[in-house]
Amino acid sequence: AQSVTQPDIHITVSEGASLELRCNYSYGATPYLFWYVQSPGQGLQLLLKYFSGDTLVQGIKGFEAEFKRSQSSFNLRKPSVHWSDAAEYFCAVGAKDSNYQLIWGAGTKLIIKP
Amino acid sequence: DGGITQSPKYLFRKEGQNVTLSCEQNLNHDAMYWYRQDPGQGLRLIYYSQIVNDFQKGDIAEGYSVSREKKESFPLTVTSAQKNPTAFYLCASTPDREGGNTIYFGEGSWLTVV
Repeated sequence: AQSVTQPDIHITVSEGASLELRCNYSYGATPYLFWYVQSPGQGLQLLLKYFSGDTLVQGIKGFEAEFKRSQSSFNLRKPSVHWSDAAEYFCAVGAKDSNYQLIWGAGTKLIIKP
Repeated sequence: DGGITQSPKYLFRKEGQNVTLSCEQNLNHDAMYWYRQDPGQGLRLIYYSQIVNDFQKGDIAEGYSVSREKKESFPLTVTSAQKNPTAFYLCASTPDREGGNTIYFGEGSWLTVV
């Protein structure tokens, strides 16, 4: 079955520390991969996406993600987090054919310690 | 500015009532979506529409209805048949149905049954 797993429900990181949020997927075809961020009570905003080519993808707000086909992973990283990064982060997997078939992870809530 | 406007932000429903959530976009997008978000879960697709006067059920359409009479508008009605409607509802759009498009989200509507 197709699925997306974000193993960490919550992650707490000190401001200025590095961050890695995990995303593992199970998908039959070549996946399109996304990371979205959601501030409390708001809609979601795209951070970055991967279709093909270079497996290290740069996004907005200093985030990057690396696609590892052998591990079925698409982990999100940031070298130094800011208090404003506190939010919930969602990984999603989709197909080339259509956006309505996106499969969403359950999200990881990022908490920043001062 | 272009974007998606959802209203109301907060809505309370009595048992047995139907309520309608509004979604308007001025992005000139063909495809529109309604998602439901519950705590600790990813987004679940309720309905989507790829073109005016056409829409399809998503994964959790029971107890919901939609219409797409205008390109800009995609209202969602939560009917009394929806047994557990308390949730955060997100409207979204993409330029077309092609996979990999960035999904643009509204700021969401909170629905609470009282």
